[in-house]
Amino acid sequence: DAGVIQSPRHEVTEMGQEVTLRCKPISGHNSLFWYRQTMMRGLELLIYFNNNVPIDDSGMPEDRFSAKMPNASFSTLKIQPSEPRDSAVYFCASKMGLAGDNEQFFGPGTRLTVL
Amino acid sequence: GDSVTQMEGPVTLSEEAFLTINCTYTATGYPSLFWYVQYPGEGLQLLLKATKADDKGSNKGFEATYRKETTSFHLEKGSVQVSDSAVYFCALTSSSNTGKLIFGQGTTLQVKP
Repeated sequence: DAGVIQSPRHEVTEMGQEVTLRCKPISGHNSLFWYRQTMMRGLELLIYFNNNVPIDDSGMPEDRFSAKMPNASFSTLKIQPSEPRDSAVYFCASKMGLAGDNEQFFGPGTRLTVL
Repeated sequence: GDSVTQMEGPVTLSEEAFLTINCTYTATGYPSLFWYVQYPGEGLQLLLKATKADDKGSNKGFEATYRKETTSFHLEKGSVQVSDSAVYFCALTSSSNTGKLIFGQGTTLQVKP
């Protein structure tokens, strides 16, 4: 079975450019999470969705970041305009429902470098 | 608010050594507790979990016991292998019961042959 799919795996862009990261959750999972991982700040939850509806976006750093989930099988995280401090690995994860002890399945991540 | 504190790394061990990675938490209510592992270049994977006090989670030779009296969930393995080299994250479910996980900062384990 396919796991969580993220694209691209690597992205290098210049400051000021728009960046779009994509995620396809595991089929049947109805909760989706976006995380950012850096050496300085560790793993941070940015936003999560349940049944395609954003539940908590309090981790989104600023208005330059936006996320959408137009259907159950696709989500995007957009940064516009990008800045060097946005350089990080961005992970998408999905799970069944919102029950606390259900496992979150992580994608392989997108490594973003903003020059 | 809810939080997780892990011992700082890196932890460097020789193959077949005993491993302990400490994890303590602060939470209201009765969270579920998890250990996730991240191998180089990959996403996180669930290693084990425990959902109530005194439960022991175990997988691949790793164990952790949910200790409510000490608010701890320490990860242990009796004999580590080079292939166990990874970053280990302790996590708990948010007491807001929204399915959100609160992660510790991660502990890097390096196992040398």
